[in-house]
Amino acid sequence: ETGVTQTPRHLVMGMTNKKSLKCEQHLGHNAMYWYKQSAKKPLELMFVYSLEERVENNSVPSRFSPECPNSSHLFLHLHTLQPEDSALYLCASSQDTGDEQYFGPGTRLTVT
Amino acid sequence: AQTVTQSQPEMSVQEAETVTLSCTYDTSENNYYLFWYKQPPSRQMILVIRQEAYKQQNATENRFSVNFQKAAKSFSLKISDSQLGDTAMYFCAFRYTGNQFYFGTGTSLTVIP
Repeated sequence: ETGVTQTPRHLVMGMTNKKSLKCEQHLGHNAMYWYKQSAKKPLELMFVYSLEERVENNSVPSRFSPECPNSSHLFLHLHTLQPEDSALYLCASSQDTGDEQYFGPGTRLTVT
Repeated sequence: AQTVTQSQPEMSVQEAETVTLSCTYDTSENNYYLFWYKQPPSRQMILVIRQEAYKQQNATENRFSVNFQKAAKSFSLKISDSQLGDTAMYFCAFRYTGNQFYFGTGTSLTVIP
């Protein structure tokens, strides 16, 4: 279960703050994903990177900005978030897009 | 559009008993993949079982098996000999091509000692 790690595990930020979420995978995969998980809602796919290039951007507000500097690391930069952005943010990786995904433990984000 | 429906928000089962979690999906595609993921209280989601739509044989992984009914677009998960460690949220997911996974809203399963 340590194949995909995420930091921090918990984050509380104000609406005017800027913060970043980090994801690292140790599985040699070439695709990485960001999901948003809110209570009683399906997982929402936010971004997909394949070979460090963004291949999916599901109408995510610009206050979320992803970065994939290499195939092992994925960041989600946050700025001027809203309280409704409070959720669990999950990172996942896979060998080739569409293959079964391996998830990280998530970052519990609270926007105050 | 692809959708995945899990109609049971919460379920419970006695330890050592069998429980079935339901999942239906809607698609016009013929070739696709279905998955069940488990998310224990520690929150790390793990794959339980997967099924390729072109395979008629139901997938099995130890105590976990699926009942895949392609015509009915149904993909239920059966857990046999339930254990306390099976307590978790269970998500059904669907993929047909490309990068898009579609997840259901999940079923919270509690195994009662």
